[in-house]
Amino acid sequence: SQQGEEDPQALSIQEGENATMNCSYKTSINNLQWYRQNSGRGLVHLILIRSNEREKHSGRLRVTLDTSKKSSSLLITASRAADTASYFCATGALLQGAQKLVFGQGTRLTINP
Amino acid sequence: DTGVSQNPRHKITKRGQNVTFRCDPISEHNRLYWYRQTLGQGPEFLTYFQNEAQLEKSRLLSDRFSAERPKGSFSTLEIQRTEQGDSAMYLCASRSRQGRSGYTFGSGTRLTVV
Repeated sequence: SQQGEEDPQALSIQEGENATMNCSYKTSINNLQWYRQNSGRGLVHLILIRSNEREKHSGRLRVTLDTSKKSSSLLITASRAADTASYFCATGALLQGAQKLVFGQGTRLTINP
Repeated sequence: DTGVSQNPRHKITKRGQNVTFRCDPISEHNRLYWYRQTLGQGPEFLTYFQNEAQLEKSRLLSDRFSAERPKGSFSTLEIQRTEQGDSAMYLCASRSRQGRSGYTFGSGTRLTVV
């Protein structure tokens, strides 16, 4: 079963607006990662935030992590049509000394031109 | 070697047939993962290799599923006696031992069982 839950399940905004997606999880984690998936394609890693970090930036992406609330958010600023995709959070847990990713169900983001 | 390669990209098979998928990870990555993704859902973990050793299999992986990674290089995932419920995207990902970033995923193999 999947650990993470993304909210909202679907989001539609106008180009240029900011998009915020949230993720909640249930167990202790080593890190939390966000991935993007274009329709019918594989996943592309966007950003990783460690459990001892609270905020991380990468270009137009901003990720926050609140381990006390077991939640994370992904903010995409100044959205573009090319940002249209599904976004997944994934929690990293140790498995036989290595990481195993557990994914949420994703947020489907549509950017309208 | 620019990424994780999966073949074939698409596979249509009749129920009851066996299918095999191949994954070629990034060459210096010793860790390889298989995930399955159905429409509208996130990927679900199937199995994990460290070098040639298969260290964990999910309960999702029934006896009809088997995965190998001979010599710790490419990996194959075989499904025997396919069922319609096996229809999904099968994703492979790899990661280096010292990886401090995310996983690198392949484009997946989409299986349709008719």
